[in-house]
Amino acid sequence: EPEVTQTPSHQVTQMGQEVILRCVPISNHLYFYWYRQILGQKVEFLVSFYNNEISEKSEIFDDQFSVERPDGSNFTLKIRSTKLEDSAMYFCASSDRGNTDTQYFGPGTRLTVL
Amino acid sequence: AQSVTQPDIHITVSEGASLELRCNYSYGATPYLFWYVQSPGQGLQLLLKYFSGDTLVQGIKGFEAEFKRSQSSFNLRKPSVHWSDAAEYFCAVAPRGSSYKLIFGSGTRLLVRP
Repeated sequence: EPEVTQTPSHQVTQMGQEVILRCVPISNHLYFYWYRQILGQKVEFLVSFYNNEISEKSEIFDDQFSVERPDGSNFTLKIRSTKLEDSAMYFCASSDRGNTDTQYFGPGTRLTVL
Repeated sequence: AQSVTQPDIHITVSEGASLELRCNYSYGATPYLFWYVQSPGQGLQLLLKYFSGDTLVQGIKGFEAEFKRSQSSFNLRKPSVHWSDAAEYFCAVAPRGSSYKLIFGSGTRLLVRP
């Protein structure tokens, strides 16, 4: 069964450093998403991406965040200058269509900012 | 304000007992409704979803959920719990229309007694 994959599974970085989290969505999907879950808190929407542009973003997704689909398979989330409060589990998801379709989630990347 | 509430943080049931996990939402119009499960170290797996039609929906692993418009609820049920059902369960909604984001409840952690 096709699945969403994410690398790395765990990323440790120093405050102020840039990180790139990588995701490989399901191959025929067209919509891509990033969510995050701070330890002990809700899963929160960050951004959705379709047709090579952001279709929606939350207030969390400020100028420090960016997303890219650099080739036909990868979908990345970049945090330019990490803060302590960016420590969280980051989930990538993809769907075939928009909000009438199921979003399939990857296993997540745990980001720890020291 | 739009919100999803899962009032139970933890629930413990005995193996073989029935289960009901509660979910209430607050939205202007009935959103799309989902239940996801997260096992330790795993991503979020869709159990079932409601878009329209029959208010009792069947999902994977023997789960079902009932949409009750009058109560703005979408409770998850299982008639007989197995030890492998121990996990965290998230209710989520997606607004109808052009927004594709999922909005998650805070989750209910299910513990299963042998």
